[in-house]
Amino acid sequence: GAGVSQSPRYKVTKRGQDVALRCDPISGHVSLYWYRQALGQGPEFLTYFNYEAQQDKSGLPNDRFSAERPEGSISTLTIQRTEQRDSAMYRCASSLEGTGHCEQYFGPGTRLTVT
Amino acid sequence: ILNVEQSPQSLHVQEGDSTNFTCSFPSSNFYALHWYRWETAKSPEALFVMTLNGDEKKKGRISATLNTKEGYSYLYIKGSQPEDSATYLCASTRGPGNTPLVFGKGTRLSVIA
Repeated sequence: GAGVSQSPRYKVTKRGQDVALRCDPISGHVSLYWYRQALGQGPEFLTYFNYEAQQDKSGLPNDRFSAERPEGSISTLTIQRTEQRDSAMYRCASSLEGTGHCEQYFGPGTRLTVT
Repeated sequence: ILNVEQSPQSLHVQEGDSTNFTCSFPSSNFYALHWYRWETAKSPEALFVMTLNGDEKKKGRISATLNTKEGYSYLYIKGSQPEDSATYLCASTRGPGNTPLVFGKGTRLSVIA
């Protein structure tokens, strides 16, 4: 079946612009996670949702970052007034349930470059 | 702060060799330990989720053990093949309601034919 999809796959933007990154989780998965992954590093947690409710946003670096999942399916991660330090791979994952013992299925990521 | 450490950072082995590497995590309030296989330019792929002390899981030539009392997990690869070359990530979570995974930096394995 279809896995987690993300769009766009690559995004180049100028500093100061806003960007919106989309994640389409596996159908029926309750939980959706956003991670940021620097080159050669493991994913770093940003935020996660159970259904449409944002459960934890403690990993968001600052208030320029926000995320929503209004209907409990597709999610959007928005970065306002982008800065060069925001350049990274942004990965989305989903899991069937919102518990720590559930496997997370990762999407292909969006490579964001801020020039 | 939950710190997950992996060692070694990188490893080169000959085809056919068996190998293993370590993931260390805080043993207090432990809930689950995940192993992922990550090939560059692809998404991390789940290998195992382990929750019980003494747990041992196996998938083909890859197996993992878990010691929650001392806070470590080993990943073993028997008879390494070039296609095993990847970065192996472990991640821990603390508590069922606190599901964010904290990842280690990974062990990069290169298997030389």
